[in-house]
Amino acid sequence: AQSVTQPDIHITVSEGASLELRCNYSYGATPYLFWYVQSPGQGLQLLLKYFSGDTLVQGIKGFEAEFKRSQSSFNLRKPSVHWSDAAEYFCAVGAMEYGNKLVFGAGTILRVKS
Amino acid sequence: DAGITQSPRYKITETGRQVTLMCHQTWSHSYMFWYRQDLGHGLRLIYYSAAADITDKGEVPDGYVVSRSKTENFPLTLESATRSQTSVYFCASLWGNEQFFGPGTRLTVL
Repeated sequence: AQSVTQPDIHITVSEGASLELRCNYSYGATPYLFWYVQSPGQGLQLLLKYFSGDTLVQGIKGFEAEFKRSQSSFNLRKPSVHWSDAAEYFCAVGAMEYGNKLVFGAGTILRVKS
Repeated sequence: DAGITQSPRYKITETGRQVTLMCHQTWSHSYMFWYRQDLGHGLRLIYYSAAADITDKGEVPDGYVVSRSKTENFPLTLESATRSQTSVYFCASLWGNEQFFGPGTRLTVL
């Protein structure tokens, strides 16, 4: 069965510090990978996506993610966190072979200390 | 407005009542999806549709019914609401390999 694991439920970082949010997946097909961000009471905003090609992808708001097939991972990074980055982050996996249905991780809540 | 809209945005209902959540998209995308979001679970797929009159179950379909008579609309019905269906519901449509999400409906079942 397809699954996505985000091992960290909560993460706290200081403003200006670097950030890495982990995402591991188990999938029976070549995956498409996504990171979404959700502020409290808001909808989902797409941060970045990976379909194919260069395994390091750049997204909005200074985020990037690296696809590592050998580790089944798609970790999200940001070199310097801003207080406005405090939100919940979701990793998701899909594939054309499965009708592009998305499987989501449980989410990681990011808190930023000033 | 172009895009994907959901109505109502907030709904409070009672156990046993029927509730319909509406989803409308202006793009004429073929694929549409319904997810529910619960703490600790992320988003889970309830139903999806590949085209008008073609629907299929997702991961958590029990207690829900969908229909899709027109490409642009994909309503989700809770036939007899239960407290466990208290959740935030998101509708999405697919373009290429990317899903575009609506703003969500927060449903509370008392």
